[in-house]
Amino acid sequence: KQEVTQIPAALSVPEGENLVLNCSFTDSAIYNLQWFRQDPGKGLTSLLLIQSSQREQTSGRLNASLDKSSGRSTLYIAASQPGDSATYLCAVSKTSMKTSYDKVIFGPGTSLSVIP
Amino acid sequence: ETGVTQSPTHLIKTRGQQVTLRCSSQSGHNTVSWYQQALGQGPQFIFQYYREEENGRGNFPPRFSGLQFPNYSSELNVNALELDDSALYLCASSLYQGPDTQYFGPGTRLTVL
Repeated sequence: KQEVTQIPAALSVPEGENLVLNCSFTDSAIYNLQWFRQDPGKGLTSLLLIQSSQREQTSGRLNASLDKSSGRSTLYIAASQPGDSATYLCAVSKTSMKTSYDKVIFGPGTSLSVIP
Repeated sequence: ETGVTQSPTHLIKTRGQQVTLRCSSQSGHNTVSWYQQALGQGPQFIFQYYREEENGRGNFPPRFSGLQFPNYSSELNVNALELDDSALYLCASSLYQGPDTQYFGPGTRLTVL
């Protein structure tokens, strides 16, 4: 059974710092991995999606890496800003989400606070 | 903003009651999924609807049911509410023929007393 964990559960950093959020999964047979952002009172926003054949994806100040063999993914945020404060969740999918959404497993999230 | 809306924003019910939550998908999206997110946890998949039919279901009992309408809006119905049903309920719309990207609504916070 796939289990997804995220460390740390909460993180507080001063503005401008670079930071890394971690995601671990127990079953390396994944189809893809996504990182989401969740603001209080709002739904999830997809940040980056990494297919199982890829090693990393980048979008602006965000970089996500994937190491299937070790069951790990990291989300790197460069030059953090107060607007980055949110909960970040990773989710792994065993198959294409179009065919089997029940195989999407979310981690519990990391709550990030960026202090001005 | 994703264009996915949900109503109501908050809801308080008592144990044993029934509840209906609503979701309006992003324009053009023909697939909707519903998730339950308990406090401090990641979302758990409830079910997905495509072309008005259930297209996949997670580990939830039959008292969780849904509908999708021709305009692709959707409802989540929960009967015989239990205290553990208290959670944030999220819907997400996507294009079945498109990439694996879902657009989430803001959620409905359900409290069962």
